[in-house]
Amino acid sequence: DSGVTQTPKHLITATGQRVTLRCSPRSGDLSVYWYQQSLDQGLQFLIQYYNGEERAKGNILERFSAQQFPDLHSELNLSSLELGDSALYFCASSVEQNTGELFFGEGSRLTVL
Amino acid sequence: QKEVEQDPGPLSVPEGAIVSLNCTYSNSAFQYFMWYRQYSRKGPELLMYTYSSGNKEDGRFTAQVDKSSKYISLFIRDSQPSDSATYLCAVRPKTSYDKVIFGPGTSLSVIP
Repeated sequence: DSGVTQTPKHLITATGQRVTLRCSPRSGDLSVYWYQQSLDQGLQFLIQYYNGEERAKGNILERFSAQQFPDLHSELNLSSLELGDSALYFCASSVEQNTGELFFGEGSRLTVL
Repeated sequence: QKEVEQDPGPLSVPEGAIVSLNCTYSNSAFQYFMWYRQYSRKGPELLMYTYSSGNKEDGRFTAQVDKSSKYISLFIRDSQPSDSATYLCAVRPKTSYDKVIFGPGTSLSVIP
């Protein structure tokens, strides 16, 4: 158990809908990362937050947004969903903001029908 | 050219074999190198972390980095069925706020 909690574990929804994925980092970790993993694209970095502030942005679509709250949990919002958004979405946390030592949650599997 | 490349496999070996997993990267700015292991339906977990050329050993695992060739390897000695997983190499630049970039992963099966 990495200590990173993600909910929900599975989510099935329809195209055009909006969903919110939630992440609670390990106790004491200030940095939260979101990754998308699909079969053809591998693990793709979406966005990073450190202590409530956005720190780095990757290949995140404009339809997607995220935030980190004062209690350090984070939410990833996915809107106007398309079939191609079906993937595993992972949250990871780390103590520092620029380390490669990431602790991953078990992911949220999103299926868009 | 992708920033980090790995042979996707699948790689299948008998129990007890020495496994060699390899990774290449394109940018000399990458200074930190990691290997993550991902079991099916689970999140990746950090196996090895290094920032220098040379070897780093941890039990049955050895990570090797050659910055001049931009080449990273992971060796697994006395492989076990429990080592069956996907192995992801990852790199990170030295500068702050930069993302960790993962390779596509190599799928390994260790057959009893």
